Amino acid sequence: SQQGEEDPQALSIQEGENATMNCSYKTSINNLQWYRQNSGRGLVHLILIRSNEREKHSGRLRVTLDTSKKSSSLLITASRAADTASYFCATISNFGNEKLTFGTGTRLTIIP
Amino acid sequence: DGGITQSPKYLFRKEGQNVTLSCEQNLNHDAMYWYRQDPGQGLRLIYYSQIVNDFQKGDIAEGYSVSREKKESFPLTVTSAQKNPTAFYLCASSIALAAGAIIGELFFGEGSRLTVL
Repeated sequence: SQQGEEDPQALSIQEGENATMNCSYKTSINNLQWYRQNSGRGLVHLILIRSNEREKHSGRLRVTLDTSKKSSSLLITASRAADTASYFCATISNFGNEKLTFGTGTRLTIIP
Repeated sequence: DGGITQSPKYLFRKEGQNVTLSCEQNLNHDAMYWYRQDPGQGLRLIYYSQIVNDFQKGDIAEGYSVSREKKESFPLTVTSAQKNPTAFYLCASSIALAAGAIIGELFFGEGSRLTVL
């Protein structure tokens, strides 16, 4: 079953603008991860945030986590054409789970 | 360079045939995973293995089989029992932790696209 649901399903913005994607999940988690997938390629890990963290940065990426609302957001600042890809959140539950469960993804298109 | 290699990249299968997808990693990771991705969908877990000679079913294991005879290799067989096998298949690996512990980052291969004719 899908644990995470990304919103919006698709997003198109002009190059240079900021892009924000949201992820909601259902059960308590240990950590939440964001991945990027270029069309027809494998996934690449972007960032991991633990349940006791509220915000994390990596270059132009900013991830927030609100465990009370069971939601996370990924912000890409100063977007570039090369950021065009699908972005997925993935969660690990707190139940000794050795599985990473992925959401359905947000398709981001950066318009040059 | 260290990484995960999947082959073939594209594969065509006739109905009723079994096919095997290869996944090899040189990252010295103990844990390996197979995911299936359908168009516009997220990833669904087929099988995973935390150690050589041991593996567990994921959420959609029916019609698939795996083996883990070597640390570096985790091949996936799509059997004729899988009724809708056309999909993009992704293999991944990670550092394995103690049983019940929480995994971190997954490293993915470039995927294998299977089409049933």
